[in-house]
Amino acid sequence: QQQVKQSPQSLIVQKGGISIINCAYENTAFDYFPWYQQFPGKGPALLIAIRPDVSEKKEGRFTISFNKSAKQFSLHIMDSQPGDSATYFCAASSTSNTGKLIFGQGTTLQVKP
Amino acid sequence: EPEVTQTPSHQVTQMGQEVILRCVPISNHLYFYWYRQILGQKVEFLVSFYNNEISEKSEIFDDQFSVERPDGSNFTLKIRSTKLEDSAMYFCANKRRGGSLNEQFFGPGTRLTVL
Repeated sequence: QQQVKQSPQSLIVQKGGISIINCAYENTAFDYFPWYQQFPGKGPALLIAIRPDVSEKKEGRFTISFNKSAKQFSLHIMDSQPGDSATYFCAASSTSNTGKLIFGQGTTLQVKP
Repeated sequence: EPEVTQTPSHQVTQMGQEVILRCVPISNHLYFYWYRQILGQKVEFLVSFYNNEISEKSEIFDDQFSVERPDGSNFTLKIRSTKLEDSAMYFCANKRRGGSLNEQFFGPGTRLTVL
């Protein structure tokens, strides 16, 4: 019940295209859903996060869509750029608890020029 | 912008040896975490630390692991007797407080290699 399932494992997108990564969770106590971006040899960096009281959040080219009833959320990267090539992790946590993050398996995104 | 720093960036040790990984959190952040990432795998929670005590630990965090804030600023992870399977990236993370602000800031990590 603590798992967060992420797909796809890898993704190749042409420059200018839309990258879509999906995650699903089971624990209804989760109330905070961040996405992290990680470049090789670096620590995860927070990209964007959402709470279940909204269905969508947009920051620049990055959008999270959230479906509470389906317990799913997704990251959309619009106008994907080669500099977006990285590994993306979704995560979930319960803010009423210790706030530990449960991460998905990660998606390696390659944006081709 | 304040950052989380970790030392060393890479630690190579022999199996059975003790290692101490160090983290300097962002000033006035109150919640501290250690995570690990085995090469090519997802990031896994190890332990959370608040108010000078462990608030939660995972199954991975067995008796060989310990954490402390020895001087009120640094936050350390000690592995008493390393095993080959401890080889991973170890990330320190912290956040200001609980409740509505749950943003965790990660350090650059320490790569631990156990031979």
